[in-house]
Amino acid sequence: AQTVTQSQPEMSVQEAETVTLSCTYDTSESDYYLFWYKQPPSRQMILVIRQEAYKQQNATENRFSVNFQKAAKSFSLKISDSQLGDAAMYFCASQTGANNLFFGTGTRLTVIP
Amino acid sequence: GAVVSQHPSRVICKSGTSVKIECRSLDFQATTMFWYRQFPKQSLMLMATSNEGSKATYEQGVEKDKFLINHASLTLSTLTVTSAHPEDSSFYICSLIQLRHRFFGPGTRLTVL
Repeated sequence: AQTVTQSQPEMSVQEAETVTLSCTYDTSESDYYLFWYKQPPSRQMILVIRQEAYKQQNATENRFSVNFQKAAKSFSLKISDSQLGDAAMYFCASQTGANNLFFGTGTRLTVIP
Repeated sequence: GAVVSQHPSRVICKSGTSVKIECRSLDFQATTMFWYRQFPKQSLMLMATSNEGSKATYEQGVEKDKFLINHASLTLSTLTVTSAHPEDSSFYICSLIQLRHRFFGPGTRLTVL
């Protein structure tokens, strides 16, 4: 079974500052993928960043980066230089095989001007 | 541009009626589509996997006779909520995978009175 845990229901960050969203997961599979998705008020799911479990190097996408600690089964998201448009729900998710994508409960990020 | 469309974007119906939600792949053929449900302030939960030309695979706890899925073509999957009740009110999202990338539809908000 897969589980994804986000222990921070809400987070806030000052504009231009850095914030880290936490995520832990559990899976018995050796081959899996991890994701962070953003869901703004429009409810459209937007892929923020993706990490293949077999890659040791942390994924980076512009202002977004992850800290992937495989042994600890931790996958945190760091948002640098936060912008007002970053305000949204953020979901951590894990995927094994071709289909199964499991989501965490989400973290609501507020960006303070 | 959008890769996945859903119709309608929102629907309000009376208890006991049936509602059909369409999910269309706009740019490519999709042999597999996924249906998720998201209750207010909760995460996305996979309901079923829709396979073109065959029966859908439902997740545990999802009633296949209540949530009818038809994936009759490579670009269209439909979810019909039969005999809808207020507890079925939710946000329904479809998703598909193309070239190892996952795309989500914009979602359909169902309100059952």
